Amino acid sequence: AQKITQTQPGMFVQEKEAVTLDCTYDTSDPSYGLFWYKQPSSGEMIFLIYQGSYDQQNATEGRYSLNFQKARKSANLVISASQLGDSAMYFCAMRVESGTYKYIFGTGTRLKVLA
Amino acid sequence: ETGVTQTPRHLVMGMTNKKSLKCEQHLGHNAMYWYKQSAKKPLELMFVYSLEERVENNSVPSRFSPECPNSSHLFLHLHTLQPEDSALYLCASSQEAVYYGYTFGSGTRLTVV
Repeated sequence: AQKITQTQPGMFVQEKEAVTLDCTYDTSDPSYGLFWYKQPSSGEMIFLIYQGSYDQQNATEGRYSLNFQKARKSANLVISASQLGDSAMYFCAMRVESGTYKYIFGTGTRLKVLA
Repeated sequence: ETGVTQTPRHLVMGMTNKKSLKCEQHLGHNAMYWYKQSAKKPLELMFVYSLEERVENNSVPSRFSPECPNSSHLFLHLHTLQPEDSALYLCASSQEAVYYGYTFGSGTRLTVV
């Protein structure tokens, strides 16, 4: 069955430090995409970063990087040099080709950046 | 400006009211989605429209009625809602391909009184 697991309901990080948000996934599809979204208190879901299952290199987008370990089925988000504006909910998601539910979200991790 | 526009941003309605949520995208995407996000619950997929045809309906109560008149517009018609329907309703659009992510709207915060 397709599944996304985020085991950290909440995280704290000091401003300017790096933080890793965990995400593991489960699918038998050989082709899939992994995504991270940020949801501030305003409610909007903001796309952050994407990793394809066949990508050889870890994705990076500015201060965001995705630590993709295919054998371990993990896709952790790393935020470097945390800023106060990074305080938000973060969702990991997976998109697959087969099955009824083709886009699966995790339960999210609430990140709080401390000044 | 996200590319996906949802209106209204906030809505308070009584249980006997009828209202509609609107979603609009001009990104050229061929699929649109309604999600419900309640406090402390995972995102719930409500409806999927691909190429203007509804392809998934995840056992959503009939008091929620979607409409997709064209590839750019999506509506969620609401009637005789219950207080437990109070939530953030998110619209999203995408291309139907595994490597495409969603573009979300800002959401409508619905309160049923």
